[in-house]
Amino acid sequence: RKEVEQDPGPFNVPEGATVAFNCTYSNSASQSFFWYRQDCRKEPKLLMSVYSSGNEDGRFTAQLNRASQYISLLIRDSKLSDSATYLCVVNPGTASKLTFGTGTRLQVTL
Amino acid sequence: DTGVSQDPRHKITKRGQNVTFRCDPISEHNRLYWYRQTLGQGPEFLTYFQNEAQLEKSRLLSDRFSAERPKGSFSTLEIQRTEQGDSAMYLCASSLVGSDSTDTQYFGPGTRLTVL
Repeated sequence: RKEVEQDPGPFNVPEGATVAFNCTYSNSASQSFFWYRQDCRKEPKLLMSVYSSGNEDGRFTAQLNRASQYISLLIRDSKLSDSATYLCVVNPGTASKLTFGTGTRLQVTL
Repeated sequence: DTGVSQDPRHKITKRGQNVTFRCDPISEHNRLYWYRQTLGQGPEFLTYFQNEAQLEKSRLLSDRFSAERPKGSFSTLEIQRTEQGDSAMYLCASSLVGSDSTDTQYFGPGTRLTVL
């Protein structure tokens, strides 16, 4: 079983749609959780950290369910510029090295 | 630009040759990480440094790979006797670890290695 599992997609959605990505992780001792965004042939960039209480940043909402070892990202009112790969990322709690999922590709269309 | 920088951005080499990549972290960051990313996969951890000390190495880092951070600033990653399976994007990240820091990792643009 992979340490971090994501649906690779692609998710093709029209502009303005709401889209949700899910992710599960296997290490129950994991300490911190993130969503990174990666554009084609570019480096990953931090989108947001994920907290148990849930957190929101504009059109983006992230949720963490430690009991189910499940992380989600909700994007509302999708923009063309949201087209990218979204990487679910877990810090397993040892030395801050990050464990990445394979990424979910989002394509927002007109 | 005060972000993480990597050099070169692209490297094409023949199988069996040695290659060396350089990473310059954000200046005050004390941790530096190396990751490798292949097509369709997320980045995979290779190794990391806190200041000049290499504290952890992944099992992915075979004995052909060596990394250094001699003065606790820039780092180099060397691959000896390259193989076609080494073709990947090599990403460097840095972070600041301390009592009042969040340890967020910031990535450089990567070095894309192609082994022919």
